[in-house]
Amino acid sequence: NAGVTQTPKFRVLKTGQSMTLLCAQDMNHEYMYWYRQDPGMGLRLIHYSVGEGTTAKGEVPDGYNVSRLKKQNFLLGLESAAPSQTSVYFCASEGEGSSYNEQFFGPGTRLTVL
Amino acid sequence: GDSVTQMEGPVTLSEEAFLTINCTYTATGYPSLFWYVQYPGEGLQLLLKATKADDKGSNKGFEATYRKETTSFHLEKGSVQVSDSAVYFCALSPYSNQAGTALIFGKGTTLSVSS
Repeated sequence: NAGVTQTPKFRVLKTGQSMTLLCAQDMNHEYMYWYRQDPGMGLRLIHYSVGEGTTAKGEVPDGYNVSRLKKQNFLLGLESAAPSQTSVYFCASEGEGSSYNEQFFGPGTRLTVL
Repeated sequence: GDSVTQMEGPVTLSEEAFLTINCTYTATGYPSLFWYVQYPGEGLQLLLKATKADDKGSNKGFEATYRKETTSFHLEKGSVQVSDSAVYFCALSPYSNQAGTALIFGKGTTLSVSS
């Protein structure tokens, strides 16, 4: 049982390049989230999904796109990376019932945009 | 909108000292409250939670009580260890027992414990 995994762990991009971050969970959770973590800012929600095939915008969605084609995977895309997107990205998933509101986090992806 | 405010860090303590990290919140509804911990180089882990007023969450010697009258959820531990060194985040979910709602995080407090 791996929980929430993220690929890759580190990446360096040049301005204008594109990339996709992959999040996978094996807990059969319905809900998945992408956050970014910046120094002194806590975590801010980028996009989220309440089920397979659904996505919605969070607090800071500009410059990102997401897809949830399979229940276990949630992809975060950067079409044209900018230095302001240098951050640590965390994916999280959430189940229902007794684990309401408990989000399980992946280990993070550290992205640097030059 | 809903928000979480937690004390600025870093907090530096000696081993076996008492720890308090203050957290207050603003919410229009009846939120659930959480403390998450992030060890160096890792993701966030749920430390404890409380879903209604007067609930006390506890785990690994840490405790926090949901105080509706003071809108607070302060984290405490009676005797910290070096292994407790980490960043601690207070968070709320605006609607208790309703899944699919993003967490609102405080900015985090760095704790450093020396032997």
